[in-house]
Amino acid sequence: GAGVSQSPSNKVTEKGKDVELRCDPISGHTALYWYRQSLGQGLEFLIYFQGNSAPDKSGLPSDRFSAERTGGSVSTLTIQRTQQEDSAVYLCASSLRTGRYGYTFGSGTRLTVV
Amino acid sequence: EDKVVQSPLSLVVHEGDTVTLNCSYEVTNFRSLLWYKQEKKAPTFLFMLTSSGIEKKSGRLSSILDKKELSSILNITATQTGDSAIYLCAVEADRGSTLGRLYFGRGTQLTVWP
Repeated sequence: GAGVSQSPSNKVTEKGKDVELRCDPISGHTALYWYRQSLGQGLEFLIYFQGNSAPDKSGLPSDRFSAERTGGSVSTLTIQRTQQEDSAVYLCASSLRTGRYGYTFGSGTRLTVV
Repeated sequence: EDKVVQSPLSLVVHEGDTVTLNCSYEVTNFRSLLWYKQEKKAPTFLFMLTSSGIEKKSGRLSSILDKKELSSILNITATQTGDSAIYLCAVEADRGSTLGRLYFGRGTQLTVWP
């Protein structure tokens, strides 16, 4: 597609429920990133996929968080047993292998855990 | 631990003023520094800087990197209300031939009053 697409744009869930956030990167972009932005905070790195290499999961805050990328394209970020502190905007970005122009971000998913 | 620090955290000016936003970093294996503008959810790319002392310009915005001082500035001249946004600085760590992980600062919230 023309840009990075994320869905849903907003999600309200009850504490303890599982949620899935989806990211559809720009066609041809081999690198895909997930970041989290809490209110008033900078972007916190979560996970990074590059082609067929093993993902860099070093930013995932707990084992309740996981992500996968199927077929080198669409990615799903899953949060199990959501907690209130998981409330944030989850941003996905993609880039070419050698990103001369940095990343292109999606519009994010605003997750609210009540 | 790698980190990126931006200052000021917030800034309020009137239309026509010139502003300078600062970014300093401590990142192992520095590769590039990027500036983004975030108005609602998706940050949009402004500049990527890799070489020290070379100014990049786009209209009223310009930026320069000082690798000796481990810092960068973003200048906006003749500010307009449409410049109101959060300006994010990010530093990329080297991953060889591929675009690496970005470390973000907390951003500078710029408000331009008419």
